[in-house]
Amino acid sequence: KAGVTQTPRYLIKTRGQQVTLSCSPISGHRSVSWYQQTPGQGLQFLFEYFSETQRNKGNFPGRFSGRQFSNSRSEMNVSTLELGDSALYLCASSPAVTTDTQYFGPGTRLTVL
Amino acid sequence: AQSVTQLDSHVSVSEGTPVLLRCNYSSSYSPSLFWYVQHPNKGLQLLLKYTSAATLVKGINGFEAEFKKSETSFHLTKPSAHMSDAAEYFCVVSPAGSARQLTFGSGTQLTVLP
Repeated sequence: KAGVTQTPRYLIKTRGQQVTLSCSPISGHRSVSWYQQTPGQGLQFLFEYFSETQRNKGNFPGRFSGRQFSNSRSEMNVSTLELGDSALYLCASSPAVTTDTQYFGPGTRLTVL
Repeated sequence: AQSVTQLDSHVSVSEGTPVLLRCNYSSSYSPSLFWYVQHPNKGLQLLLKYTSAATLVKGINGFEAEFKKSETSFHLTKPSAHMSDAAEYFCVVSPAGSARQLTFGSGTQLTVLP
């Protein structure tokens, strides 16, 4: 079974632009979560989606948003990029919100110049 | 609320010697606990998880961890380090029986010396 895939793997943007990252979960998994990883803040939870509904949201500004499609694929969007948004963005999937194991993708490395 | 403290940011061991990565947690309920490993430029790979079935948990690649409620600890061990074990390790807590909103420790960078 294929793992979690994320596209693109690397992205370079400039301040003020917006960006969309994509995540395809493991086949059959319906829950998708997003995390931001930075050297200073470590790994932080962004949001979680299940059945196209946001179930949980971390402590991030409204510039960070996401959505989930009927095939469980998910996208996250960051608008008005700031230098501090440079990070590795990780997506994880699990079969359901009550399942206690998440499986992570390789991440998208976003660099904001 | 839940939190995780990894007591060492860096650990160095010689190849063939034991590995001990320390983790303490705080949770207002019975948590699920995990160890994940991250190799350079890679995503996170699950090593093992504790979900109250047994206090000693065996994972992949010879790693194991022991859940000690009285000490609120979940230390990761391996009897004999291999060069390929060099990576960053994260201790993670989540509400029991749920994959929601994982809380990560700050990570421990493991170096394995030849």
